[in-house]
Amino acid sequence: GQQVMQIPQYQHVQEGEDFTTYCNSSTTLSNIQWYKQRPGGHPVFLIQLVKSGEVKKQKRLTFQFGEAKKNSSLHITATQTTDVGTYFCAGHFDTGRRALTFGSGTRLQVQP
Amino acid sequence: GAVVSQHPSWVICKSGTSVKIECRSLDFQATTMFWYRQFPKQSLMLMATSNEGSKATYEQGVEKDKFLINHASLTLSTLTVTSAHPEDSSFYICSARVYRASEQYFGPGTRLTVT
Repeated sequence: GQQVMQIPQYQHVQEGEDFTTYCNSSTTLSNIQWYKQRPGGHPVFLIQLVKSGEVKKQKRLTFQFGEAKKNSSLHITATQTTDVGTYFCAGHFDTGRRALTFGSGTRLQVQP
Repeated sequence: GAVVSQHPSWVICKSGTSVKIECRSLDFQATTMFWYRQFPKQSLMLMATSNEGSKATYEQGVEKDKFLINHASLTLSTLTVTSAHPEDSSFYICSARVYRASEQYFGPGTRLTVT
């Protein structure tokens, strides 16, 4: 079936270190979205990437969409304690299915 | 903008009873709403997709007679867990999407505990 995998499952970093989570799809995606879920909270939309090879930045966050539109990454530069949470990628497959398929998520813990 | 509310935020019920969870888009009209289930430290599992005025589309393995979904208006969808059992205890989250947009706005979730 169509799946979206994320690695790592969990990462613990010291404040100030960089962090990257990777998202891989079994088939081509029409778009990829990233969400952040704080502990005890609900997912919050961060960004959407649509074009092959697209790169977008939001302050310390850099999002990339692979050339083949089957993988994506989120990189956080100089993490802060406010970055703590679980980061999910989610994509729409080219099949036209309206629902998003969520990745397994990467839980980030930042040590002050 | 794009605020989604859920009610109740948490509920405890006895086994065999039914529980209704409401999902409302407060400042926009949501043509499509989604219901997810999330277990601790796990990803979101899509249960069903609902469009206003039509029957919900359930994901494989989700019992539609057990999880009744009604999308009565462009701002309200409800999920009713019928004859709840302890294994139905979970975090249920709804999300809403505006027509022709692809990003989803999530409600705060409802934590259901069945005793």
